[in-house]
Amino acid sequence: ETGVTQTPRHLVMGMTNKKSLKCEQHLGHNAMYWYKQSAKKPLELMFVYSLEERVENNSVPSRFSPECPNSSHLFLHLHTLQPEDSALYLCASSQGTGSVDTQYFGPGTRLTVL
Amino acid sequence: DQQVKQNSPSLSVQEGRISILNCDYTNSMFDYFLWYKKYPAEGPTFLISISSIKDKNEDGRFTVFLNKSAKHLSLHIVPSQPGDSAVYFCAASAWNSGNTPLVFGKGTRLSVIA
Repeated sequence: ETGVTQTPRHLVMGMTNKKSLKCEQHLGHNAMYWYKQSAKKPLELMFVYSLEERVENNSVPSRFSPECPNSSHLFLHLHTLQPEDSALYLCASSQGTGSVDTQYFGPGTRLTVL
Repeated sequence: DQQVKQNSPSLSVQEGRISILNCDYTNSMFDYFLWYKKYPAEGPTFLISISSIKDKNEDGRFTVFLNKSAKHLSLHIVPSQPGDSAVYFCAASAWNSGNTPLVFGKGTRLSVIA
């Protein structure tokens, strides 16, 4: 069983749709992250959760809504997205939120907004 | 303004030769640096790290060098193998300033030619 899984792997949605991305980690970690990777841009941190509480939110638009029901699951709810939101969305987990805690990444969800 | 810069988007190296991937940073508070490797359709995986108290860290074929005065680090892979072909991300954090999140560069695509 791989450490961090993400579903779906690919998603195409219209600007008026509502969809959710799911991440699950099987590593017993306490921290989970959402990152956005756009073409030719650095990996951007979106949200950090530690023990199911949000500890970091890098000024992400409200059309992205995270949810962390428990330490193993993380969701990213999407609604009224824009074409520029098309990107690879990566989930990661780590034991703690310190930078020395190695982050383990999932394979990502490739999102296309039409 | 990017705090972590990988100015070479791509690099091609002959198998058996040395690959040198470079990374520059602007924030003098950064004191912990990591390299991640990413294959297509997979999430980034941790490769090697270095803290600012050291100027070199070695792990098998991978060595990371840190030049604090120049705010520059590099990843050396020797000998390079075709399986090393991937995108390499440099990341930095201000660990001593309180577990700040990782800041990633844009990545460098390494192609090792057989």
